[in-house]
This record gives sequence, C-alpha cells and structure tokens, in this order.
Amino acid sequence: QVQLQESGPGLVKPSETLSLTCSVSGGSISGFYWSWIRQPPGKGLEWIGYIYYSGSTNYNPSLKSRVTISLDTSKNQFSLKLNSVTAADTAVYYCARSGQYSTGRFYFDYWGQGTLVTVSS
Amino acid sequence: DIQLTQSPSFLSASVGDRVTITCRASQGISSYLAWFQQKPGKAPRLLIYAASTLQSGVPSRFSGSGSGTEFILTISSLQPEDYATYYCQQLDSYPRTFGGGTKVEIK
Repeated sequence: QVQLQESGPGLVKPSETLSLTCSVSGGSISGFYWSWIRQPPGKGLEWIGYIYYSGSTNYNPSLKSRVTISLDTSKNQFSLKLNSVTAADTAVYYCARSGQYSTGRFYFDYWGQGTLVTVSS
Repeated sequence: DIQLTQSPSFLSASVGDRVTITCRASQGISSYLAWFQQKPGKAPRLLIYAASTLQSGVPSRFSGSGSGTEFILTISSLQPEDYATYYCQQLDSYPRTFGGGTKVEIK
C-alpha cells in the first residue's frame, strides 16, 4: 500500500522560505506524477504544481515565481520550496500521487495526511 | 484558468436520501473530471475519475455522470459515513483546478 508523509516546519516567518518534504513508501517514485496541493483553513483546494519522475515540472502560474519542486529518487522523496511567504500562504499542505490513469490523464489517487504550515512572526 | 462552480455549496440531507451535487466548468473539459470526498482533518479521497469511473474500493452508491461543462455526483442512498465535503477537479488543462466544495450535513 502506497503511503505519503509530509514533513517540515509548522511555523515559518513572513518573507522566509517554506520547505516541505514528502516521503513515499510502499511504492516507487518512478512512473508517476507527484504534486503539492494546499488548503487554507476552512477553504478549498489549490494545486501548487507537480514533478514527473523524469524531473520535469509544471507549476500553477499564480505561484510559479515563488515555487520549486524537486525530486530525490534515491530517497523516494520529493520536496516543495515556496519563498517570500506571507500570511496568505498559511494552509494545510498535501502531497499527492497522480497514479490512476484513464484516457490520457493521471488522477490523484494517493494523498499524504497533510501538514499545517502557519506563516507568522 | 478553468473555473469549476459547484452547487449547492451546502446541503442538509437525511440518511437514505438520494443526493446530487453539480459541478459546472467555465469551458468544455471533455470527461476529464474527478470527484473527491474530504472529511474534517483528513486528506481528500478519490471517489470518481474520468467523470464516471468508480475508484477501486468506493461503494457503488456513489456514481458520476456528465461531460463537457456539466457534471453530477450522485449518492443513491446517503449513509452516516458520507457526511463530508465533496470537491470536483478538472484535468483538462493546467493549472489543475478544484470546485469550491459542497458540504453535506445531517438533517
């Protein structure tokens, strides 16, 4: 059974960089797309971006200038860096696998439990 | 970006009721749509993909239909464990976007 687990600081100061890691167990990084998705408290879901196992990336234009997603296949992990954070970046951050394939699309089928990151001084 | 509008945003229903949730896309997205269920403090769970395909392990009382710009999630007989918030998500184009959610509460 594939499991994803987010880790990283729960509190980040304004203007600093938010860094999170997603550890994947029970399956390989290879062959799938790996995404970060966030959810501000009491609000809806926002896709941040993905990294393919080959290393190619795609980011939400609303965050593109501040986001980097990277992959460490040797550790079966991928990571998120979001710089110049503000209070608006306070959210639960989820990592997710796009592994359910149908007619040319990969759907989010496994998610981490999520980790709350608060931006505050 | 493709906007997804869910209706209603909130509904109150009883156990055994038939429940329908609508998701409308701002432009045609073929059948590239998924439905998720999210319970408080938990990650979303994939219920339906490709608009109408039931994810493995999901009860058959859940079904999805539609294509183009209008999609429906139906719960044929609401169970106590179905009280949650439901989201649609489009995979037609980037950035991937989600609907605003429909919260299903106990009547």
